[in-house]
Amino acid sequence: DMQMTQSPSSLSPSVGERVTITCRTSQAIYTFLNWYQQKPGKAPNLLIYGASNLQSGVPSRFSGGGSGTDFTLTITNLQPEDSATYYCQQSYSTSWTFGQGTKVEVK
Amino acid sequence: QVQLVQSGAEVKKPGASVKVSCKASGYTFVNNGIAWVRQAPGHGLEWMGWISVYNGNTNYAQKFQGRVTMTADKNTNTAYMELRSLRSDDTAVYYCARVWQELVRGNWFDPWGQGTLVTVSS
Repeated sequence: DMQMTQSPSSLSPSVGERVTITCRTSQAIYTFLNWYQQKPGKAPNLLIYGASNLQSGVPSRFSGGGSGTDFTLTITNLQPEDSATYYCQQSYSTSWTFGQGTKVEVK
Repeated sequence: QVQLVQSGAEVKKPGASVKVSCKASGYTFVNNGIAWVRQAPGHGLEWMGWISVYNGNTNYAQKFQGRVTMTADKNTNTAYMELRSLRSDDTAVYYCARVWQELVRGNWFDPWGQGTLVTVSS
């Protein structure tokens, strides 16, 4: 089974800072990697698909990169509304899987 | 606008079955698949499987093989997920999501339904 490891598991940056979340897969997956944002009590929301493509309507301070086994989600100029849990998800293998999540609490 | 609206919360006893519905609107239902993802309280997201609405083909996570059935009714634009032999650790919020597919970018989920809480308790 494809293993996915997100890091860090949590972080507490300040407003205006830049953060990078990493997602590593146990096998190479080209760019079949997506990122979602989930706020408490809400359904997840797509941010990035195909590793680096910004979903329509998502602020440009969100960006994704990487290929193969190592991927990043970067948020620049952090805003209070970016407090959420972020998940990566791969669709390369037959069984699609999510990372364990990274909780971001903006101070 | 594109919307997925799920059925309401359910309370079930261990050993029972639950069937959650997901009604799609705002797009051509047969053009996309529907995935199901669940989230146990305080835990992360877990992919359960997906169905191609176009041809009815399904792909289930191994963990749920034999216990889950996903269907789609093209006449009512509604997808269903039935989970049988419920256990207490099946207590979770169950989400449906529209599946996008591209050969070079893979598959992703957008948008998601609002979620359906299924509680399994004796």
